[in-house]
Amino acid sequence: DTAVSQTPKYLVTQMGNDKSIKCEQNLGHDTMYWYKQDSKKFLKIMFSYNNKELIINETVPNRFSPKSPDKAHLNLHINSLELGDSAVYFCASSLDRGNGYTFGSGTRLTVV
Amino acid sequence: AQSVTQLDSQVPVFEEAPVELRCNYSSSVSVYLFWYVQYPNQGLQLLLKYLSGSTLVKGINGFEAEFNKSQTSFHLRKPSVHISDTAEYFCAVIQNTGNQFYFGTGTSLTVIP
Repeated sequence: DTAVSQTPKYLVTQMGNDKSIKCEQNLGHDTMYWYKQDSKKFLKIMFSYNNKELIINETVPNRFSPKSPDKAHLNLHINSLELGDSAVYFCASSLDRGNGYTFGSGTRLTVV
Repeated sequence: AQSVTQLDSQVPVFEEAPVELRCNYSSSVSVYLFWYVQYPNQGLQLLLKYLSGSTLVKGINGFEAEFNKSQTSFHLRKPSVHISDTAEYFCAVIQNTGNQFYFGTGTSLTVIP
């Protein structure tokens, strides 16, 4: 039973398209996150939700919009995709700061 | 503000040799410290963590790390590496009252046969 699952695993799309990535966790955690990992493996936090409330909103283009319908789901919608959006996007969840994160397996987004 | 520095971006080491991956952090308050491993094309997995107590913590796959408060370091060690340890390793820190983890830039460990 996958703890944090992301779909799709791979996403190839053309510039200008709109796409969504879905994330679900079955761990009962209250906090969920989206991270972007670039080609140099650098991890950058994008958003965090705690029980459906946005608590971290880093400086990302407003083409990126997170949505949390309930505390088990955190989706990422991206409008007007650009070449620079190509990266691996990781979803993660956390019970509390002492337990660290549980990560999903990532979504590799390629914009052509 | 917090920051995490992983001093070595790439570490090549021969199989069965020991390895140390360095991590330093800066914080004005108490922190929790973590090491994660990312195998190729996979997500990050927790290796070990330090919350309090004994400064030497043991994790999975034979890894251990030592918290040194005076040097603000949390270096990861393994006495004898295997080919399967080839991966990216990330150090992370969170303030014990904070809500955001800060990750280092990663160290790519390559084990050479």
